[in-house]
Amino acid sequence: GENVEQHPSTLSVQEGDSAVIKCTYSDSASNYFPWYKQELGKRPQLIIDIRSNVGEKKDQRIAVTLNKTAKHFSLHITETQPEDSAVYFCAASIGAGNMLTFGGGTRLMVKP
Amino acid sequence: EPEVTQTPSHQVTQMGQEVILRCVPISNHLYFYWYRQILGQKVEFLVSFYNNEISEKSEIFDDQFSVERPDGSNFTLKIRSTKLEDSAMYFCASSDPSGRGEQFFGPGTRLTVL
Repeated sequence: GENVEQHPSTLSVQEGDSAVIKCTYSDSASNYFPWYKQELGKRPQLIIDIRSNVGEKKDQRIAVTLNKTAKHFSLHITETQPEDSAVYFCAASIGAGNMLTFGGGTRLMVKP
Repeated sequence: EPEVTQTPSHQVTQMGQEVILRCVPISNHLYFYWYRQILGQKVEFLVSFYNNEISEKSEIFDDQFSVERPDGSNFTLKIRSTKLEDSAMYFCASSDPSGRGEQFFGPGTRLTVL
């Protein structure tokens, strides 16, 4: 089955700096890669996703890149703010209706 | 904006007891899922449900677990005889297959087995 690895497990940045979180996946059939933000005690919230027919997608301060050949994808957050502090999870799926396999999570701390 | 809802928010039970966790998916969604998250760990897939039957399940989803859509709005997860290691946050999610396939999560039920 699919295996998703995520790095780093913790990331501390100064407010205004950029943060990058990286994930690798094992199943070449995976074609949908969402990113979720989870604040303490809350539900995972979808923040951005990318599909395998696209190499990069951007939404304001957040961008995701995908390298299908290397089977890795990354989340980039620019101009970080304290409210970006949370745990971020990457995930992979073979498509709509199919299970998500999650990475281990990255605890992002943005210091004011 | 419609959201997935779950009840109860917290359930405490004794080992060996049965529990039922309830979810109301987003109304026009047709795929339903249960995931669990042990404290401090990653989210793990349990089961997916479509067209009134299980479409996928993980190794975690053994004979102690079952799912049901008893009516047009609820989706339930039953654990027949709870074990200490079932203590976790259980998330329900739903997705619309005619859309982009994004899965939207409920707020979770924290299950504590004593």
